[in-house]
Amino acid sequence: NAGVTQTPKFQVLKTGQSMTLQCAQDMNHNSMYWYRQDPGMGLRLIYYSASEGTTDKGEVPNGYNVSRLNKREFSLRLESAAPSQTSVYFCASSEVPQSSYEQYFGPGTRLTVT
Amino acid sequence: AQKVTQAQTEISVVEKEDVTLDCVYETRDTTYYLFWYKQPPSGELVFLIRRNSFDEQNEISGRYSWNFQKSTSSFNFTITASQVVDSAVYFCALSEASGSTLGRLYFGRGTQLTVWP
Repeated sequence: NAGVTQTPKFQVLKTGQSMTLQCAQDMNHNSMYWYRQDPGMGLRLIYYSASEGTTDKGEVPNGYNVSRLNKREFSLRLESAAPSQTSVYFCASSEVPQSSYEQYFGPGTRLTVT
Repeated sequence: AQKVTQAQTEISVVEKEDVTLDCVYETRDTTYYLFWYKQPPSGELVFLIRRNSFDEQNEISGRYSWNFQKSTSSFNFTITASQVVDSAVYFCALSEASGSTLGRLYFGRGTQLTVWP
């Protein structure tokens, strides 16, 4: 039982390159989330998926796209990376409302855009 | 609108001192959940506690205690007899139990706690 896994753990991109961050959970949760963490800003929600087949924007969705591939997997895509997207990205999952809204987090992906 | 404020950006204490981390929240929902997470230097997010809006009892877990007061919209976290291993960033977060924001977590900006030996 791995919980929430993310790949890769580290990535360096050049401005304009694209990449996909992968996230998978094995807890059979219905909801999944992508956050970014910047110094002094806490975690901010990029996109979330309340259930398989649905996605919604969070606070900071610009420059990102997501895909809820199936119940287990939720990917985040940067189509044309910008230095402002340098951040640590966390994926999370939860079972809403059964689990009292606790979110389980992956280990994070540290992304640098040069 | 939902908002979580952690006014203390950084706190430094010496080992064995008690320290309280403040958290103030805003929500229009009558049913909501409050959380504290710890982020040690290794970077992962560690769940510490969840409290729902109907349970105002304080909670104690070892050296950790939490004081939830709806009257002041606060959910403060106290570490008693702090240790160097408590050094981390601590986040307070809010989740609403209804409406279009169901299940979303709203985080404060975090408090960096440094405990010196």
